[in-house]
Formats: sequence, C-alpha cells, structure tokens
Amino acid sequence: GAGVSQTPSNKVTEKGKYVELRCDPISGHTALYWYRQSLGQGPEFLIYFQGTGAADDSGLPNDRFFAVRPEGSVSTLKIQRTERGDSAVYLCASSPTGPNQPQHFGDGTRLSIL
Amino acid sequence: DAKTTQPTSMDCAEGRAANLPCNHSTISGNEYVYWYRQIHSQGPQYIIHGLKNNETNEMASLIITEDRKSSTLILPHATLRDTAVYYCIFRNSGNTPLVFGKGTRLSVIA
Repeated sequence: GAGVSQTPSNKVTEKGKYVELRCDPISGHTALYWYRQSLGQGPEFLIYFQGTGAADDSGLPNDRFFAVRPEGSVSTLKIQRTERGDSAVYLCASSPTGPNQPQHFGDGTRLSIL
Repeated sequence: DAKTTQPTSMDCAEGRAANLPCNHSTISGNEYVYWYRQIHSQGPQYIIHGLKNNETNEMASLIITEDRKSSTLILPHATLRDTAVYYCIFRNSGNTPLVFGKGTRLSVIA
C-alpha cells in the first residue's frame, strides 16, 4: 500500500521567506510526527499529532515554526521568516493508534535556505 | 538526548551475519527496544522491536539480554543493500516520539 508521502522532495528558498511542507500519512493512521534531521545527525522530534490536535509540540525550536492537521489526515509544517539554520531534511512519520505501533517515515523534504 | 550507546561504525562481509550491539542500561521495565535503519537519502525504516523476549521477523532478529540492559540486532545474511545507519531506540508502549542517537553506520562489503 501507499506509504507516507512528503512534498516537495526538495525546496530551495531565500532567507526570510515563508515555506510550507506537506505530509500525507498512511491512510487510517491517527498519529503523525514531524522530525528534523541535520547532516550527520539522527532525526530530532518537532511535534506530534493525535488526530487533529497537537499532543506534544515541545520539539518546535521557536515560534517561527507551526504545524497543523485540520482534518486529522494531511499535515502542513509552516516556517516563517526562514533562517539559514533552518536548512535540514524535514521528516514526517505516521502510526496507527494503539500500543507498540511502529512509526513509518516518509523520505522527507530537503529544505535549503540561501 | 539519546539514551542508547552504539558503536559509530561497523563493517560486514556480504553474505555474513551482521551483529549490531546496543547498550541501554537506563531502560525502564515498560520500555520497548526499537530498531530502525536509514539508507542514504531515505527516511528511517522500521526493522523490529521487542520488550524482553527475543524477536524475529523477515528482516532481522533481536536478541535482548535477560537484564534488558543491552540488545543485538542480527541481519542473518547481509547484502550490499543493508548498508545504512542503524538506530537503536527505546520508548514506552504509548505513541511517544522517538529519540534518535547517531546510530551505527554499517558498511556491507562485497
């Protein structure tokens, strides 16, 4: 079946611009996660949704970062006033509800801020 | 911060078993050991997880010590396509986020 889909796969923009990154989770998965991965590092947690609501946003680095999931399916990660330090691969994962459910990842969006 | 300790890198000959160790001495009784891998330019891929019993699936085997302070992921017949960074993570049974360390970079050599 279809896995987690992330678009665009690559995004290049100038410092100060606004960007939106999209995640289409696996159909029926109620939990959705955003992570960020810098070169040579493991992914770092940003925010987790259970249905439409953000259950944990403790990983968001500052108020320039925001994410929504209005209908409990597709999610959008929004970054305002981008900075060069925001350059990274942004990964999305989803999982079904229930104990011990592994997360399934997309291939990420590679964001480059010039 | 990641709570597991893994070697930075390992090599394995193609066709041989790859044994990847992980120390997780601070693991709690209700936390599971998960393994993921990440092939270059792809997202992490789930491999296997377990609580205290050894587990096996079509990809790998997971051996957890009796005290649960360490585990070993075994790829029984490594192929070149198994070259990746392997992450050992522990988490409780809920939908908590994963905490990744730097993992082990496994290179399978022909």
